[in-house]
Amino acid sequence: GQNIDQPTEMTATEGAIVQINCTYQTSGFNGLFWYQQHAGEAPTFLSYNVLDGLEEKGRFSSFLSRSKGYSYLLLKELQMKDSASYLCAVRDETDSWGKFQFGAGTQVVVTP
Amino acid sequence: KAGVTQTPRYLIKTRGQQVTLSCSPISGHRSVSWYQQTPGQGLQFLFEYFSETQRNKGNFPGRFSGRQFSNSRSEMNVSTLELGDSALYLCASREQKGGNTIYFGEGSWLTVV
Repeated sequence: GQNIDQPTEMTATEGAIVQINCTYQTSGFNGLFWYQQHAGEAPTFLSYNVLDGLEEKGRFSSFLSRSKGYSYLLLKELQMKDSASYLCAVRDETDSWGKFQFGAGTQVVVTP
Repeated sequence: KAGVTQTPRYLIKTRGQQVTLSCSPISGHRSVSWYQQTPGQGLQFLFEYFSETQRNKGNFPGRFSGRQFSNSRSEMNVSTLELGDSALYLCASREQKGGNTIYFGEGSWLTVV
């Protein structure tokens, strides 16, 4: 079966850094994805890791350790518009179609 | 390039009725998947279609079904609606079975009363 865990909520101050952790146990693995979802809107793609290490994309970075089943999303220089839910997702490739499994999401609240 | 388009955006149905939701993928994308999102359960995978064939299925009852047309557009149907089916239904597309990123539409908000 699949299990993807991430914290329910995190609060941080504008300009600060927040790290959202995600641990997973899946029967297959072919990529770890992060999506951002603002209230009432569709999830939008942020980052993708398939190999161990850090991927940096502007203010957002994502890290993966496949041996530990662990990833984190790092948000730097937080802005008010970063208040949203952040979804961790794993692409399971037990077959060639690789369905995506999502965590419950971490609600990030940015305060002034 | 236009994004994933879903219709209708909002709808209200009565228990026992059925509903059909439509999704047009990003041009060139041949895979379409459907998800149900609720506050309690989060994003849950329903099914994925590629080349008009269902390739993967989540753990939902048979009341939930879907299909894909030759132009890659997809529909999902829920029959005998229950109150618990009230949710945001999201469609996502990717280029092919090897495509690594899925892109979501705005979703269809279904309320069952």
